[in-house]
Amino acid sequence: AQTVTQSQPEMSVQEAETVTLSCTYDTSENNYYLFWYKQPPSRQMILVIRQEAYKQQNATENRFSVNFQKAAKSFSLKISDSQLGDTAMYFCAFGTYNNNDMRFGAGTRLTVKP
Amino acid sequence: DAGVTQSPTHLIKTRGQQVTLRCSPKSGHDTVSWYQQALGQGPQFIFQYYEEEERQRGNFPDRFSGHQFPNYSSELNVNALLLGDSALYLCASSLGSRNPNEKLFFGSGTQLSVL
Repeated sequence: AQTVTQSQPEMSVQEAETVTLSCTYDTSENNYYLFWYKQPPSRQMILVIRQEAYKQQNATENRFSVNFQKAAKSFSLKISDSQLGDTAMYFCAFGTYNNNDMRFGAGTRLTVKP
Repeated sequence: DAGVTQSPTHLIKTRGQQVTLRCSPKSGHDTVSWYQQALGQGPQFIFQYYEEEERQRGNFPDRFSGHQFPNYSSELNVNALLLGDSALYLCASSLGSRNPNEKLFFGSGTQLSVL
């Protein structure tokens, strides 16, 4: 069974600084997707970044980048130049090509302080 | 272009009652997935509908049922409500012709409280 673990329940960062959120997962699959979703107080889950396991290059989306270590089953999210609007719950998620059951971690609450 | 819309936004029910939650997918999407997010936890997959059929189901009892209409909108029904059913229920839409997990668009959820 696939599991996703986020070991940091809460984190905080000063505005304009960099923060890294951790995620580990367990699977026997070789091909899969990994995601980071943001859930602000509006409750809507918003896709931040996506990584396909067969791609060696780490995904980047503007200020957001990941460090994907397939052998270690680790998938961390780095947020550069943190902004107040980045304050939210962040969920790491795992999905496979032939299974519609996306697995989420328990989340990390990130607070960006002015 | 409207995104995924869910109704109602909040709902209060008592134990033993039945509830229906509704979801309209993003324009052009044909697949709807439902997730339950308990307080302090990540979302858990309930089931997915595609072409008006339940394509896959998570580890939820038969009290949870659903439906998809020809216009791709969907309903989630929960019978015999328990206190433990209190949660945020999220709907997500995608294109079924591709790997549906590749890009999910979520609504803002329905907060269900069971008293």
